[in-house]
Amino acid sequence: AQTVTQSQPEMSVQEAETVTLSCTYDTSESDYYLFWYKQPPSRQMILVIRQEAYKQQNATENRFSVNFQKAAKSFSLKISDSQLGDAAMYFCALNPLVEYGNKLVFGAGTILRVKS
Amino acid sequence: DGGITQSPKYLFRKEGQNVTLSCEQNLNHDAMYWYRQDPGQGLRLIYYSQIVNDFQKGDIAEGYSVSREKKESFPLTVTSAQKNPTAFYLCASSILGTGGAEQYFGPGTRLTVT
Repeated sequence: AQTVTQSQPEMSVQEAETVTLSCTYDTSESDYYLFWYKQPPSRQMILVIRQEAYKQQNATENRFSVNFQKAAKSFSLKISDSQLGDAAMYFCALNPLVEYGNKLVFGAGTILRVKS
Repeated sequence: DGGITQSPKYLFRKEGQNVTLSCEQNLNHDAMYWYRQDPGQGLRLIYYSQIVNDFQKGDIAEGYSVSREKKESFPLTVTSAQKNPTAFYLCASSILGTGGAEQYFGPGTRLTVT
C-alpha cells in the first residue's frame, strides 16, 4: 500500500521567518516522484515543488526547498522568508511510478498560518 | 488562456437525486482525474482516464460514474448510491507519461446534498 502522512495539522510562522512542514511516506517501489501542492483560501491547487526519487539533490524553487531523505522516507518542505501569501493548506503527494502511473496519493494536509 | 474549468462552483441537491459535475480542459492533456476532498482527509481519487472512451476506478469509486467521450471533457456523476456525497470535488489533468507529470487542477465544485 502507498501512504502519505503529514503529522502537523497546523503550523504558524512569523512573516519573514522560516518554517518546515513534515511529510513521511511509504511505498515499496524504488522509482517514484514526490510533490508539494499548495491550496490557498481560493481552493485552487498549485504545484509548489517536485522531487524525483532517484535524484539525490534536493529540489529548490525560489524560497521553497525540500529535504528528501530516501532511506527514512521523509520529504519535508522548507519555506524561507515567509510571506502572507504563503498562508494556505499544503499537501504532500506521492506518485509511485510502476503501479500508479500518473496517479497521486495525498497526505491529509497541513494548514500554514503566517503572522504579520 | 489554457486551463481547467469546473462548473458550477456551488451545487445543491436533494438526497436521492443524481447530479453531474462538469470538467473541461483546453490543455490538450490525455489524462484526467476526479478527486474528492473532505476536511482532514486530503484528496482521494475517485476515477481517472488516460484516453478517450477509457477510464478506471480510483480508491473511492463507489456511488460515482464518469464518461470520457471527448478528450477535453470528463464529467462526474454523483449517484444516489453515494452515501455521503457532500464534499468538495476537484478535477485535474496531466500529460500522459511514465509518471512525475504535474497535475493541473480546476477551481473545484462544492456539492451539498440535503
